[in-house]
Amino acid sequence: EAGVTQSPTHLIKTRGQQATLRCSPISGHTSVYWYQQALGLGLQFLLWYDEGEERNRGNFPPRFSGRQFPNYSSELNVNALELEDSALYLCASRVTGIRYTFGSGTRLTVV
Amino acid sequence: QKEVEQDPGPLSVPEGAIVSLNCTYSNSAFQYFMWYRQYSRKGPELLMYTYSSGNKEDGRFTAQVDKSSKYISLFIRDSQPSDSATYLCAMSEESGGSNYKLTFGKGTLLTVNP
Repeated sequence: EAGVTQSPTHLIKTRGQQATLRCSPISGHTSVYWYQQALGLGLQFLLWYDEGEERNRGNFPPRFSGRQFPNYSSELNVNALELEDSALYLCASRVTGIRYTFGSGTRLTVV
Repeated sequence: QKEVEQDPGPLSVPEGAIVSLNCTYSNSAFQYFMWYRQYSRKGPELLMYTYSSGNKEDGRFTAQVDKSSKYISLFIRDSQPSDSATYLCAMSEESGGSNYKLTFGKGTLLTVNP
């Protein structure tokens, strides 16, 4: 069974630009979560998508947004990038219950 | 006060040692308690998961939850160099709508020396 795949692995952007991160969940998993892992802050909940709808979002500004496609893959968009957005962005999927499977993440660097 | 507190370490032990990792929390609504292991440049992987209070054992790993003290622990027996990683505690409320949003500690970096 293929795991959760994220692309790109690394992304370097300039302050003020937009970044798009992609996630493919495990086949059959309908829920996708996004977390930010910034240095010194631990993993912070960003967004939860289920069955194509945004179900919950964490304490992040509106310039963090995303969507889930009919095949359950998901995209995270970060607009107007700031230096403090530099972090590892992790996607996770699950089908039922609380057991998440995480991808290896996208390392976003804002310069 | 943060919802979940975890000593970031780093923690360095010799091979074969017993390792104790701990987290405290303030939200009494947490019902699910998990331990994740994260190797460098990888995503977290679920090690142990417990619902409500009690102990759970899986091989060399034992997870304990004390809800009265709002304190959870992970014990690793006969630690191996391959156990060297960052260990993250995570918790979730039992919320309606199957939300299962996880609140994480900052992680403890463990190094097991051969």
